[in-house]
Amino acid sequence: ETGVTQSPTHLIKTRGQQVTLRCSSQSGHNTVSWYQQALGQGPQFIFQYYREEENGRGNFPPRFSGLQFPNYSSELNVNALELDDSALYLCASSSGLAMETQYFGPGTRLLVL
Amino acid sequence: QKEVEQNSGPLSVPEGAIASLNCTYSDRVSQSFFWYRQYSGKSPELIMSIYSNGDKEDGRFTAQLNKASQYVSLLIRDSQPSDSATYLCAVKPQGGSEKLVFGKGTKLTVNP
Repeated sequence: ETGVTQSPTHLIKTRGQQVTLRCSSQSGHNTVSWYQQALGQGPQFIFQYYREEENGRGNFPPRFSGLQFPNYSSELNVNALELDDSALYLCASSSGLAMETQYFGPGTRLLVL
Repeated sequence: QKEVEQNSGPLSVPEGAIASLNCTYSDRVSQSFFWYRQYSGKSPELIMSIYSNGDKEDGRFTAQLNKASQYVSLLIRDSQPSDSATYLCAVKPQGGSEKLVFGKGTKLTVNP
């Protein structure tokens, strides 16, 4: 157990809908990174938040957006869902930009029909 | 383009053998390297981190890093059926955001 929690665990949506995924970071961690893992692939970096500010973004369209709250929990929002958005969404927390070890939560499995 | 490459496997070894997992990376200035284990349907779990050339041992696991060859490996000694999982190599590129770049993973099966 890493202390990183995510909700919900599973989600089914239809194409065009919007979804919000949530993550609570490990105690003492102020940095949250989001990754998308398609079946049979390694995780792909979506973006990272450090002290409520976005600190880098991967090659994902603007319909993927995020937020970090003062308690360092975070949300990932995806608008206009597409079939290819079906994946495991992983949240990872770390204790600051200089601390490189990232610990993953259990993930949210999203299925878009 | 920054890439991390791994043999997708599957890699099959008998119980008690040494499993050797390999990873190459393209960003020559990368400084931090990680091995994660991922059981089917679960999230990645950190096994080892390595930052300097050479070997780093932790129990049955040994990570090896050769920056000149842009190569990192993971050895699992006395492999157990519970080691059966997908092993992900991750690299932190120099500069930019603190993202990790992952390979596709190598699926390891340890046969009793």
